[in-house]
Amino acid sequence: ILNVEQSPQSLHVQEGDSTNFTCSFPSSNFYALHWYRWETAKSPEALFVMTLNGDEKKKGRISATLNTKEGYSYLYIKGSQPEDSATYLCAPPGNKLVFGAGTILRVKS
Amino acid sequence: DTAVSQTPKYLVTQMGNDKSIKCEQNLGHDTMYWYKQDSKKFLKIMFSYNNKELIINETVPNRFSPKSPDKAHLNLHINSLELGDSAVYFCASSQEDRVAAFFGQGTRLTVV
Repeated sequence: ILNVEQSPQSLHVQEGDSTNFTCSFPSSNFYALHWYRWETAKSPEALFVMTLNGDEKKKGRISATLNTKEGYSYLYIKGSQPEDSATYLCAPPGNKLVFGAGTILRVKS
Repeated sequence: DTAVSQTPKYLVTQMGNDKSIKCEQNLGHDTMYWYKQDSKKFLKIMFSYNNKELIINETVPNRFSPKSPDKAHLNLHINSLELGDSAVYFCASSQEDRVAAFFGQGTRLTVV
């Protein structure tokens, strides 16, 4: 099972701030990369599935980019809101949905 | 209709017992998973399974075993429960790895 690295481990921002975090993965044998949002006491919910190098996907204020050659994906949140507080997980390619440790985001109002 | 459903939602049992958690998906997905939310709140994969391949995380004790009566179900059997097995267990399903996975609501297992 491949190692996945997500950074930072946690992040505290003020409401209205924009933020981003990283998922790093081995670039060989790429297949697809998943991003999920996991709110406390709930189940993880899918945000994006990215398959092509250079992919950029957007859902509301959240967007993600993918670089398969260098082995990383960025998740961006524009104008963070308290309801964005959650753990953001990525599952890199070929890993049968093995998740990284996640980035814990806390947005203060 | 719930896409991925787990039962029970809560399970309290004594050490040494054998218990099962059921998972059913109505999405027609070909792959199902079991995860454990560990003490550090990380989501650790235990098993992934489709009708072709069972992949087991080698760190999972062999007291844990997945049972799949059909494509829509992947149940988790746990023998000789230990205190350290207390955790939240999540089931999920997906269609291969290119489609987003859907998760069940989780089962909170407490071993006393």
